[in-house]
Amino acid sequence: GDSVTQMEGPVTLSEEAFLTINCTYTATGYPSLFWYVQYPGEGLQLLLKATKADDKGSNKGFEATYRKETTSFHLEKGSVQVSDSAVYFCALKWGSGNTGKLIFGQGTTLQVKP
Amino acid sequence: DVKVTQSSRYLVKRTGEKVFLECVQDMDHENMFWYRQDPGLGLRLIYFSYDVKMKEKGDIPEGYSVSREKKERFSLILESASTNQTSMYLCASSFFQRGSSYNEQFFGPGTRLTVL
Repeated sequence: GDSVTQMEGPVTLSEEAFLTINCTYTATGYPSLFWYVQYPGEGLQLLLKATKADDKGSNKGFEATYRKETTSFHLEKGSVQVSDSAVYFCALKWGSGNTGKLIFGQGTTLQVKP
Repeated sequence: DVKVTQSSRYLVKRTGEKVFLECVQDMDHENMFWYRQDPGLGLRLIYFSYDVKMKEKGDIPEGYSVSREKKERFSLILESASTNQTSMYLCASSFFQRGSSYNEQFFGPGTRLTVL
């Protein structure tokens, strides 16, 4: 079945470092792909999305490109801040129709130190 | 602002108790979802509903049931709580829009349930 695999964390970086969080997927057809972020004590928020191959999603300095040839959707940011410390989830939309069911990866914890 | 609220942030229950987790959204969303979040496993879908009184099983429905009597409210029920249901439970909602490939899910803050 469809699945999402993320790099294991935690990832610990110093402020202003470059961030990459790897995400690969297995799916039939052409899913839409998403990154969600969960700040401490909160629910998840949509960070960015891409709906077709070669699309680039971007938000708050984060970017991810939908790579169909490598079935990947890696999250990147050029210069992280302490406020970026959170858990990041990669997800794909499963199936057709409008109910919007998502399949999530296991989550990657990012800790940014000043 | 879209708001999804959950009845409790923390809950402690005993094995065998019946547990109700409530979720309310104020954006007139048709779709509502219940997930559980466990370390190393990400979020797993328990049940979802795309209309009042409608429900569909997700990936891990065993030991759970749901109720949606009103559009804004979606309840998760643990008929007889067990220790392996200790987890973080997240509720989400989204629009149902014909012809759209995806509508963003908005999440509540979660309920951390401990079953002793």
